[in-house]
Amino acid sequence: GAVVSQHPSRVICKSGTSVKIECRSLDFQATTMFWYRQFPKKSLMLMATSNEGSKATYEQGVEKDKFLINHASLTLSTLTVTSAHPEDSSFYICSAYTGGNQPQHFGDGTRLSIL
Amino acid sequence: SQQGEEDPQALSIQEGENATMNCSYKTSINNLQWYRQNSGRGLVHLILIRSNEREKHSGRLRVTLDTSKKSSSLLITASRAADTASYFCATDAATGYALNFGKGTSLLVTP
Repeated sequence: GAVVSQHPSRVICKSGTSVKIECRSLDFQATTMFWYRQFPKKSLMLMATSNEGSKATYEQGVEKDKFLINHASLTLSTLTVTSAHPEDSSFYICSAYTGGNQPQHFGDGTRLSIL
Repeated sequence: SQQGEEDPQALSIQEGENATMNCSYKTSINNLQWYRQNSGRGLVHLILIRSNEREKHSGRLRVTLDTSKKSSSLLITASRAADTASYFCATDAATGYALNFGKGTSLLVTP
């Protein structure tokens, strides 16, 4: 089955640090990947849609200069949280679309904690 | 924006019992999917039902879809302690589009 690998699984860092999260589709090519954010005991909220070779599409209220997305290849999308602050602490999850009328497959998520 | 709303928010049952979770949504959909999330982990895809389907089975899972009522249900039969997790429904407006998630149902299955 389709596997999506997300790395790192957990990050703890100081305020002001930039953090990069990788999302890889291991056994398929993904022209479109999605980044979601999840607060404790809450649902997933879409942050942005990442398209290979083009600029990401951000949801309303998501700062594109704060959350930089790069989809450089058909198997890799990265989310960089720039100058992270405690309010950016959250669970970030990516998903990749395999094509056709198929389900999206999710990575295991990244727990980001900013001190 | 979030579209799905699960009901109940929390459900506690004993092993062997059936668990039923409901999901309602607001606008037209292409597919409806159910996912499971164990605490602190990513989402595991359970089942996808297309807008022109009414019922689907996968092992101990049974999903129904009523597009006239804009609702879906997930039934887990003969539940096990390992089924303890949060369950989310998610809809998409078209193939390849982002998913709109409901708030989820937290299921606790006690031995």
